[in-house]
Amino acid sequence: DQQVKQNSPSLSVQEGRISILNCDYTNSMFDYFLWYKKYPAEGPTFLISISSIKDKNEDGRFTVFLNKSAKHLSLHIVPSQPGDSAVYFCAASTGNTGKLIFGQGTTLQVKP
Amino acid sequence: NAGVMQNPRHLVRRRGQEARLRCSPMKGHSHVYWYRQLPEEGLKFMVYLQKENIIDESGMPKERFSAEFPKEGPSILRIQQVVRGDSAAYFCASSPQGSRGEQYFGPGTRLTVT
Repeated sequence: DQQVKQNSPSLSVQEGRISILNCDYTNSMFDYFLWYKKYPAEGPTFLISISSIKDKNEDGRFTVFLNKSAKHLSLHIVPSQPGDSAVYFCAASTGNTGKLIFGQGTTLQVKP
Repeated sequence: NAGVMQNPRHLVRRRGQEARLRCSPMKGHSHVYWYRQLPEEGLKFMVYLQKENIIDESGMPKERFSAEFPKEGPSILRIQQVVRGDSAAYFCASSPQGSRGEQYFGPGTRLTVT
């Protein structure tokens, strides 16, 4: 039972353009959502998060949007840079223990 | 402030041996989570610990796997009698507050069972 889904395994974007990564979830009890970035042979690095009481959170080039009615969130990166090329994971948690449920990941390639 | 430390980074074990993976959380963090990433998959939650307590072990296989976070020292994930299917990357994360908030991940231990 995949509670968090990233349906696009990969995404390729030109440098300077916007990257949009998508994530869907099924559990309405999730109340906190996070995005992580991961390079090969390294641990995930936290990027940005959003609480279920909000519908948008922005941090520099990164913006996360949450649509609770659609159970959908997205990460926007603008402008995209070659250094953004990595695997991006969305994750969700409930307030009980904070354990994270991860999507399968989307590999972003930003071309110079 | 040092990040989450994991060792060893790479571990090779033969089938039937024991694997011990260690995790030192960030300074000031008392909440530790273990996740496993199998090849071509996302990270899967295994266990959540606070000092001397297992809070949630719903993701741990029922046999051969155990975890602890003693009062002193690192958290340990122990896998007894390893099998080839245990080959994976094991990540530890720590958090200052547990129930909500960002978790900070270590570099992982890559376990290979031959």
